Amino acid sequence: GESVGLHLPTLSVQEGDNSIINCAYSNSASDYFIWYKQESGKGPQFIIDIRSNMDKRQGQRVTVLLNKTVKHLSLQIAATQPGDSAVYFCAEKYNQGGKLIFGQGTELSVKP
Amino acid sequence: DVKVTQSSRYLVKRTGEKVFLECVQDMDHENMFWYRQDPGLGLRLIYFSYDVKMKEKGDIPEGYSVSREKKERFSLILESASTNQTSMYLCASSPLSQGPSLNTDTQYFGPGTRLTVL
Repeated sequence: GESVGLHLPTLSVQEGDNSIINCAYSNSASDYFIWYKQESGKGPQFIIDIRSNMDKRQGQRVTVLLNKTVKHLSLQIAATQPGDSAVYFCAEKYNQGGKLIFGQGTELSVKP
Repeated sequence: DVKVTQSSRYLVKRTGEKVFLECVQDMDHENMFWYRQDPGLGLRLIYFSYDVKMKEKGDIPEGYSVSREKKERFSLILESASTNQTSMYLCASSPLSQGPSLNTDTQYFGPGTRLTVL
């Protein structure tokens, strides 16, 4: 079946550094991608999304990059803060109807 | 802001009990979803609904049923709880997909219900 995967299950960064979390997707027909942040004991929180007709989208301190050639998605967090410590999921959608396929998640740990 | 609420944050039930998990969203979203989340397995879709009284099986519907009598409310039912249904249950909602517009496919999640079945 289709799958969304993450290259690194854990990532540890120093406070103030930039973080890059990667995601590979397998379905070239996927047309929508989302990044979620999940803090311990809480539900996933929407961070940023991007459609397949875009290569890059920026939010506040976050940037999502989409490389359709190699089916790769990344989330960049600028000036990482302790409050950014969480598990980050990517998700893809490749058909109508709103169903998403989620990756396993990467745990980001920010060292003070 | 979209708000999705779930009736309980923590629940402890006994094997064989009937369990109801309630989810309410306040943004008039057409789509609602129930997932379970387990370590190492990620988010797995149990059931979803596109409209009132409509339901579709997800990837792991066995042992579960759902009810959507009102647009804002989506209930997950465990007819006879078993220990392998101990998990974090997450509800989500999204508006009807409208093609290339951003944000119409985004799913918004509730805080989750951690269910323990003894």
